[in-house]
Amino acid sequence: DAKTTQPPSMDCAEGRAANLPCNHSTISGNEYVYWYRQIHSQGPQYIIHGLKNNETNEMASLIITEDRKSSTLILPHATLRDTAVYYCIVRVATGNTGKLIFGQGTTLQVKP
Amino acid sequence: GAVVSQHPSWVICKSGTSVKIECRSLDFQATTMFWYRQFPKQSLMLMATSNEGSKATYEQGVEKDKFLINHASLTLSTLTVTSAHPEDSSFYICSARVVGWYEQYFGPGTRLTVT
Repeated sequence: DAKTTQPPSMDCAEGRAANLPCNHSTISGNEYVYWYRQIHSQGPQYIIHGLKNNETNEMASLIITEDRKSSTLILPHATLRDTAVYYCIVRVATGNTGKLIFGQGTTLQVKP
Repeated sequence: GAVVSQHPSWVICKSGTSVKIECRSLDFQATTMFWYRQFPKQSLMLMATSNEGSKATYEQGVEKDKFLINHASLTLSTLTVTSAHPEDSSFYICSARVVGWYEQYFGPGTRLTVT
């Protein structure tokens, strides 16, 4: 699975959009981009995933560049409860193992 | 989304004893379950992958005789930390998926403290 690079930390004002970048320049054609987040002392929570088209769900939007070498997770109206570590993971979606390899992620601090 | 539970949520044990942690998929049958370990201020580290009815596959560096994994049914996997020592104190998290699903669902984690 391709490696990802994320900034270690980011701040965001409550109510504003949080834009979390992820670089995955070695991504393969059959690899998806997944985003999970982990609120302190809890298990990770699935947010969204995508292959090449932009995706949106009730939690967030995922913007993937045309060359697929990077992506941005957007939380449109961040709240204090969105403070968490956000992980960008690249892997084959329904591969046999299905295992997720976590990097260091981005710690997002939403401030009032 | 699908729900995964873990029991206990936290446990304190004495050095040298064994501890069993349960992971259950509550509303789906998981073909594969994963076990992770997380030390303070660090990321999750995958320990092993288990498929129902077969032996677990351990990641490099994880002692299979120390961390016993049993996946006896499609809804239950257990992790037993044998002869626990203080350095085994950590946050243990399981996850589950169904072959063909895009998502993988995580349990709330179990905090193990070995004294």
